Amino acid sequence: SYELTQPPSVSVSPGQTARITCSGDVLPKQYVYWYQQKPGQAPVLVIYKDTERPSGIPERFSGSSSGTTVTLTISGVQAEDEADYYCQSADTSATYCVFGGGTKLTVL
Amino acid sequence: QVQLVESGGGVVQPGRSLRLSCAASGFTFSDYAMHWVRQTPGKGLEWVAIISQDGSNKYYADSMKGRFSISRDNSKNTLYLQINSLRGEDTAVYYCAREFRVGGTLIGYWGRGTLVTVSP
Repeated sequence: SYELTQPPSVSVSPGQTARITCSGDVLPKQYVYWYQQKPGQAPVLVIYKDTERPSGIPERFSGSSSGTTVTLTISGVQAEDEADYYCQSADTSATYCVFGGGTKLTVL
Repeated sequence: QVQLVESGGGVVQPGRSLRLSCAASGFTFSDYAMHWVRQTPGKGLEWVAIISQDGSNKYYADSMKGRFSISRDNSKNTLYLQINSLRGEDTAVYYCAREFRVGGTLIGYWGRGTLVTVSP
């Protein structure tokens, strides 16, 4: 098994840029997906394959990758973006999946 | 549109067994690998298991091996999770989920979850 590491919390003011990182040794070889989860709701996919945005997700959500770290960036943060964010990846044989511990985004 | 509806949760005594179901619609169920993911109250997401499109391959998180069993019935568009010898630490919301794209493995769609509470 392996681990993905996320910061427990990130805080930004409305209109600023939030960056949430996800680190793991397998990440140079495997994609990361990002999910947003609001209280009492199921997660929602916001970024897939490190940088791709599903239809219906606002353009302010973007992703990037560098070595063992993948970053979710939310530009022009809005109050409605306050949520928990999780990264997910798989091992190199795509038989084992893992989530990061989650990051709570607080909009001040 | 993709719909995943879990059922079978509830209050269960420690040591008992439970089978969760997930009814899928809005897509060709047999084309996609499916997952179970759980979330304990106030905690993060924990991947449980994945099953291949035809059910021939099943993989589990290390901590889930032995008591958990994932299966599917493609004729009924239904995914299952059998949990045996339930423990207090199995108390969680259990989510059914579908891979985003065929062969992509990682999750794109989630059900709303079903709550399992293990209590005497």
